[in-house]
Amino acid sequence: NAGVMQNPRHLVRRRGQEARLRCSPMKGHSHVYWYRQLPEEGLKFMVYLQKENIIDESGMPKERFSAEFPKEGPSILRIQQVVRGDSAAYFCASSPYTGNNSPLHFGNGTRLTVT
Amino acid sequence: TQLLEQSPQFLSIQEGENLTVYCNSSSVFSSLQWYRQEPGEGPVLLVTVVTGGEVKKLKRLTFQFGDARKDSSLHITAAQPGDTGLYLCAGDLNFGNEKLTFGTGTRLTIIP
Repeated sequence: NAGVMQNPRHLVRRRGQEARLRCSPMKGHSHVYWYRQLPEEGLKFMVYLQKENIIDESGMPKERFSAEFPKEGPSILRIQQVVRGDSAAYFCASSPYTGNNSPLHFGNGTRLTVT
Repeated sequence: TQLLEQSPQFLSIQEGENLTVYCNSSSVFSSLQWYRQEPGEGPVLLVTVVTGGEVKKLKRLTFQFGDARKDSSLHITAAQPGDTGLYLCAGDLNFGNEKLTFGTGTRLTIIP
């Protein structure tokens, strides 16, 4: 039973390029969350999606960032015109349902470096 | 503003010793989770506490949720080198786990 799969594991982009991060949730999980971890900081919530719907994007920067979770295929976090401050580890998590006892399963992250 | 403060930030102790790490907030959480994160990997859930005053044990790890659901502690007995890692607490303000608030973590090193 594969866990949450994120790819690529490492991504290097030059300033101004686009970054596309992919996340395949665990089998049977329809809830996907994206978090960002800056160096020496805790994880910060970005967005929560269910299939084809963005439920809560209150943690997403207003510009350049977007996320989707289509009916078929992985969830995508897209960062347009990247800047050095976007360099971070981006983690995806999935869960089978919501609620206090809903376990979150994290992937191993994509480490984005903007040069 | 950091909603969840973890202390200490770094802790280095000898194998066999006991330790406690703390997670404090001025906010009330509907539940609180503890994770462990290894370098290059994602956080792995250790435990979820829901009820004020709740105590959960996981082998040598004891987790406690404060009575007012604003703080939590993690106590490790007879620490082993395998306990080395980054320990993160995460609180849920909304009864849904959708938007967890993470602490900055305690980086624990157990010296053999």
